[in-house]
Amino acid sequence: DAGITQSPRHKVTETGTPVTLRCHQTENHRYMYWYRQDPGHGLRLIHYSYGVKDTDKGEVSDGYSVSRSKTEDFLLTLESATSSQTSVYFCAISEGRDRGPYEQYFGPGTRLTVT
Amino acid sequence: SQQGEEDPQALSIQEGENATMNCSYKTSINNLQWYRQNSGRGLVHLILIRSNEREKHSGRLRVTLDTSKKSSSLLITASRAADTASYFCAFFTYTGGFKTIFGAGTRLFVKA
Repeated sequence: DAGITQSPRHKVTETGTPVTLRCHQTENHRYMYWYRQDPGHGLRLIHYSYGVKDTDKGEVSDGYSVSRSKTEDFLLTLESATSSQTSVYFCAISEGRDRGPYEQYFGPGTRLTVT
Repeated sequence: SQQGEEDPQALSIQEGENATMNCSYKTSINNLQWYRQNSGRGLVHLILIRSNEREKHSGRLRVTLDTSKKSSSLLITASRAADTASYFCAFFTYTGGFKTIFGAGTRLFVKA
């Protein structure tokens, strides 16, 4: 497995509380991504990063923010958690090549429950 | 939505049989990838086919791409019980900014 870890692996939180998920890589890959996976929807991109301090929105970014202060760490913050954000969150990384990233390597996932 | 669509949603076969999964998409793509996900785990990259390629092989996997029909198929030959997993297509596009868009997946169950 690629060197990607996610923490925490499981979390239960209450509606309205802020939550931060962490993704850590040891591969020195340029690109990092946060996805959420829900039944019937596959994976949907929340935010991604193409370098330190360089981030952009994905398909479902409302209610989420990200930060990348170091190459190896990409943080996902739910500013005020809602029940609709109950999901499994995956971090992924990929190398930058001549025309952008290609295959992605995924972390083990974080199961978040908002009550 | 730009999401890819996959069919079937679920597939159950006997060990030794071939499994075929299909993926369709709506936008122009740079490449198309297939991933596997075992229950409770992250996705694992299987194979990538570029938009100027029509067929690609990797071990027991065969992927085809028809850009005129905006569709791809994944064939797993001589399936094994260990192939039981969910399979996702994902296409990489520059339309509206670069992004990789995943389909909803096909759940494959291979009976021993």
